[in-house]
Amino acid sequence: DGGITQSPKYLFRKEGQNVTLSCEQNLNHDAMYWYRQDPGQGLRLIYYSQIVNDFQKGDIAEGYSVSREKKESFPLTVTSAQKNPTAFYLCASIGDRAPNTEAFFGQGTRLTVV
Amino acid sequence: QKEVEQNSGPLSVPEGAIASLNCTYSDRGSQSFFWYRQYSGKSPELIMFIYSNGDKEDGRFTAQLNKASQYVSLLIRDSQPSDSATYLCAVNGDMRFGAGTRLTVKP
Repeated sequence: DGGITQSPKYLFRKEGQNVTLSCEQNLNHDAMYWYRQDPGQGLRLIYYSQIVNDFQKGDIAEGYSVSREKKESFPLTVTSAQKNPTAFYLCASIGDRAPNTEAFFGQGTRLTVV
Repeated sequence: QKEVEQNSGPLSVPEGAIASLNCTYSDRGSQSFFWYRQYSGKSPELIMFIYSNGDKEDGRFTAQLNKASQYVSLLIRDSQPSDSATYLCAVNGDMRFGAGTRLTVKP
């Protein structure tokens, strides 16, 4: 999807386990984002990062953690503290490609916690 | 808290008509605005980006931005059944989204 890759596409985990979702981009974009989408709902912002080694909480950061050690990578960890982690998780990146701004989403990871 | 509001719809228009989608935002300092289209079960795809007041046209799509009134709209001319999707508005560098408007174009 436009140079941004999420893996895996489907993920099953037992309740109480931490799980890390991968997001990698080769677009040289500075900004990266994580969203959660529940069935029939919009996208809710979990975390975002506009530069390496810096990130900000979104509206629903509790129970999640991120890191941004490299420009290309923005992994999301869903911790056992997240009360209802089953959802569709989407990663996006945004950057300038003069004269336009471009934005791409990954294909998403469907996480199911049993 | 910064808010982005959209009518959740659903919005239904006949094929060939103009579909009008609206988005309002609470942060008066917002600078950039995005319209995405999301088909069911798929990831969103960017269809329009706008940061200047006024209109921006790309094919059958026109985005209209009015910063004084804090709204951004998307017009789809000559609507096609393939335009049936959920349209999402997002604002600024933190990319907060509205709830989306579901559009159905009837043949």
